Amino acid sequence: EPEVTQTPSHQVTQMGQEVILRCVPISNHLYFYWYRQILGQKVEFLVSFYNNEISEKSEIFDDQFSVERPDGSNFTLKIRSTKLEDSAMYFCASSWDRARGYTFGSGTRLTVV
Amino acid sequence: DQQVKQNSPSLSVQEGRISILNCDYTNSMFDYFLWYKKYPAEGPTFLISISSIKDKNEDGRFTVFLNKSAKHLSLHIVPSQPGDSAVYFCAASAAAGSQGNLIFGKGTKLSVKP
Repeated sequence: EPEVTQTPSHQVTQMGQEVILRCVPISNHLYFYWYRQILGQKVEFLVSFYNNEISEKSEIFDDQFSVERPDGSNFTLKIRSTKLEDSAMYFCASSWDRARGYTFGSGTRLTVV
Repeated sequence: DQQVKQNSPSLSVQEGRISILNCDYTNSMFDYFLWYKKYPAEGPTFLISISSIKDKNEDGRFTVFLNKSAKHLSLHIVPSQPGDSAVYFCAASAAAGSQGNLIFGKGTKLSVKP
């Protein structure tokens, strides 16, 4: 069964530092997403990416966030200057089409101290 | 504003019985609904979906029912098994002008007791 792979599984960073969360989506998928889940809260949409550009983003996805698909296999989420409230589980997902649902990765737990 | 609501944070069911997980939504533009299951320390796993043109979709032990007039959907698991114990998320999306970005409910924690 194809998987979405996320690295690292846990990242601890100091407030104000830049972090890059990495994802390898399923190879023949066309749509890519980042979601996050703050502890005890619901899974929230951050950004969707299709055809090498952002197709939609939420209010959470401000100027501190950026995404990139640098080499046709990796899909990265960068947070330029982390804040304490960025601490959360970040999930990458990819899909071929909506009817089949998304495949999520196992997540990266980001802890900002 | 919660567009997708799962009002029961937890549900406990005996093995072999039916589990019914409920979900309400407010946005009439939603036309596609999905259920995901999540174990601790793992990402959500797609279970089953339903388009707004249908009122029922079945896949093995899992059936999703959609009542558009009530803006309500439910997931039935029959028979429930201890391995079904997980957090279940309802999610919805609107097709028009989007890539199907999902709006999730807060989840319901299902415990199936042997």
